[in-house]
Amino acid sequence: EPEVTQTPSHQVTQMGQEVILRCVPISNHLYFYWYRQILGQKVEFLVSFYNNEISEKSEIFDDQFSVERPDGSNFTLKIRSTKLEDSAMYFCASTARPYEQYFGPGTRLTVT
Amino acid sequence: AQKITQTQPGMFVQEKEAVTLDCTYDTSDPSYGLFWYKQPSSGEMIFLIYQGSYDQQNATEGRYSLNFQKARKSANLVISASQLGDSAMYFCAMREAPRQGGSEKLVFGKGTKLTVNP
Repeated sequence: EPEVTQTPSHQVTQMGQEVILRCVPISNHLYFYWYRQILGQKVEFLVSFYNNEISEKSEIFDDQFSVERPDGSNFTLKIRSTKLEDSAMYFCASTARPYEQYFGPGTRLTVT
Repeated sequence: AQKITQTQPGMFVQEKEAVTLDCTYDTSDPSYGLFWYKQPSSGEMIFLIYQGSYDQQNATEGRYSLNFQKARKSANLVISASQLGDSAMYFCAMREAPRQGGSEKLVFGKGTKLTVNP
C-alpha cells in the first residue's frame, strides 16, 4: 500500500541553524500539508500546498518557515534559524480526496 | 473557541471489552468531515476512520465504528473487542470546507490516552 515517507526520522540541531525536513507524498496525491506536534500536545496545522504554491498557512508559519516541491516527488519544510520552541514532531500529510489524509511517520526535531 | 473537544484525557478498558472515546465538534459549515487517528508511543499518526457530514450511515472499519450524532455534534469512536495493541493516543479531527483561498486542513482535538489492561 502506498505511504507517505519522511526523512530524517530524528534531527538534532543547534539553535540558529537551518534545517530541512523532507517528505515524499503518495504519488497521485495533489494536496500536501505540514503539521507540528509539540511533545504532549495536539497536532497543529502549519501549511498546505497545492499546484506548486501555498494555499493556506497558520500563524505559526512565519517568515522562518518555507516549503518547496523541488521536483515531482519531494516536499520539503525549511526552518531558516531554529529556535528552542521549534522542537516538535513534524508530520507531512498528503491527500487526493477529501475523505483521506494520510500522514507520514514524522520527523522528531530537537533544537538544543 | 475549541473546534474539537475531547473531554477524556485518559481511558482504561479491559482487554476484549468495548470502549467509547468521546469527541464533540463545533462548526457552522454544512459540509465537513470527521477523522479519527491513532498515535502509538512510536509517534506515527495512523488513520482509522472517516465520517462525512452528509453520510447517512455511521462509518465502520473493522473493530472501529463512529457513532455520529449530527444534531448533538458528536462523533464518538467505538472500539470493540479491545486488544493490548490498541493502547495509544487517539485524536479526533475535523476538516471543514475550505474558505476562499483556504485548504482542507485538519483541526485536531487534544487527544485521549487509551490504556488496555490484560
